[in-house]
Amino acid sequence: AQSVTQLGSHVSVSEGALVLLRCNYSSSVPPYLFWYVQYPNQGLQLLLKYTSAATLVKGINGFEAEFKKSETSFHLTKPSAHMSDAAEYFCAVQLRGSQGNLIFGKGTKLSVKP
Amino acid sequence: DVKVTQSSRYLVKRTGEKVFLECVQDMDHENMFWYRQDPGLGLRLIYFSYDVKMKEKGDIPEGYSVSREKKERFSLILESASTNQTSMYLCASSPRETQYFGPGTRLLVL
Repeated sequence: AQSVTQLGSHVSVSEGALVLLRCNYSSSVPPYLFWYVQYPNQGLQLLLKYTSAATLVKGINGFEAEFKKSETSFHLTKPSAHMSDAAEYFCAVQLRGSQGNLIFGKGTKLSVKP
Repeated sequence: DVKVTQSSRYLVKRTGEKVFLECVQDMDHENMFWYRQDPGLGLRLIYFSYDVKMKEKGDIPEGYSVSREKKERFSLILESASTNQTSMYLCASSPRETQYFGPGTRLLVL
């Protein structure tokens, strides 16, 4: 069965510092992988996705993630945090060839200190 | 741009009431989904549909039913609302692997 683990329910960084949000997955075959962001009282917005092209995926708002099969990881990074990055971030996995069902991690809330 | 809309942003209902949550997408997507989101639990799939009049149970279908009479509309029904169904409900649609989410409905059951 597939599963997703996000390490750290809360992460706090200073403005301008590196953002690193961790995601590990469990799947019998390489899945599709996604990062979504949720701002307060809003729905989820797609940040980026990995569907078996380049292993380094660039998304919106300066975020990127690298698929590492050997580590079963898909960590999200941004070189320099901005106050507007404060939100909750969800990693999700989807089995290839499925009907689109996503398995979500429990989320990581990112705080950005001035 | 993909647009997924949900009928209400906030709802307050009483225990035992029948509750309808509506979701509409404008991109002719085949697949539609209903999730509930609770703090510390992430998103959990309630039901999904991959075609008109088709539905499949997700991980937590108990206490819920769904209806998809038209391709663009997917309704979630709480037959008899209970306080433990107080939650944020998110609808999504997808053509293939990527899901697009609506703004969510925050439901309070008193």
